[in-house]
Amino acid sequence: RKEVEQDPGPFNVPEGATVAFNCTYSNSASQSFFWYRQDCRKEPKLLMSVYSSGNEDGRFTAQLNRASQYISLLIRDSKLSDSATYLCVAVYAGKSTFGDGTTLTVKP
Amino acid sequence: GAGVSQSPSNKVTEKGKDVELRCDPISGHTALYWYRQRLGQGLEFLIYFQGNSAPDKSGLPSDRFSAERTGESVSTLTIQRTQQEDSAVYLCASSLSRTSGMTYEQYFGPGTRLTVT
Repeated sequence: RKEVEQDPGPFNVPEGATVAFNCTYSNSASQSFFWYRQDCRKEPKLLMSVYSSGNEDGRFTAQLNRASQYISLLIRDSKLSDSATYLCVAVYAGKSTFGDGTTLTVKP
Repeated sequence: GAGVSQSPSNKVTEKGKDVELRCDPISGHTALYWYRQRLGQGLEFLIYFQGNSAPDKSGLPSDRFSAERTGESVSTLTIQRTQQEDSAVYLCASSLSRTSGMTYEQYFGPGTRLTVT
């Protein structure tokens, strides 16, 4: 079993749709969590940190459930430009473990 | 300001040769990370530096891989006697120092695409 698991997708949604991704992590001692997005053949870029209380940044909402050891990302009102691979990350003692990513394609 | 830079951007080498990949982190970032990403796959952690020391080398796939960092700045990842399975994009990232219980976000360089023929 991988330390961080994501549904690889692909998720194909129409513009304006709401889409949610989940990510589970196996190390209960993980301390910090992030979501990154990665465009094709580009480096990952930070999308948002994930806080215990949940946090929102515009159309994006991240949640952390420590009891069940999963994090989620909700994207509202999807745009064509949201098409990318979304990577979740769990960090413990400085070591970041990335999931393999969930691919999202937003279609007109 | 300047982001993380990596060189070369592309490297083609023959099987059995040694290669050296370079990473220049963001100024002031004392934490530095190396990852490997094979085509169509996720990021594989290789090594992490805090300052010039590497508390965690657990991700290095074999003793052909080594990395060093000097002056709390530039880092080099060396792969000796390259094999075809080493072909991948090698990504470097940097971040601010960790504080107790808090890890800062990482900023990635554009990567070095290594092809071993």
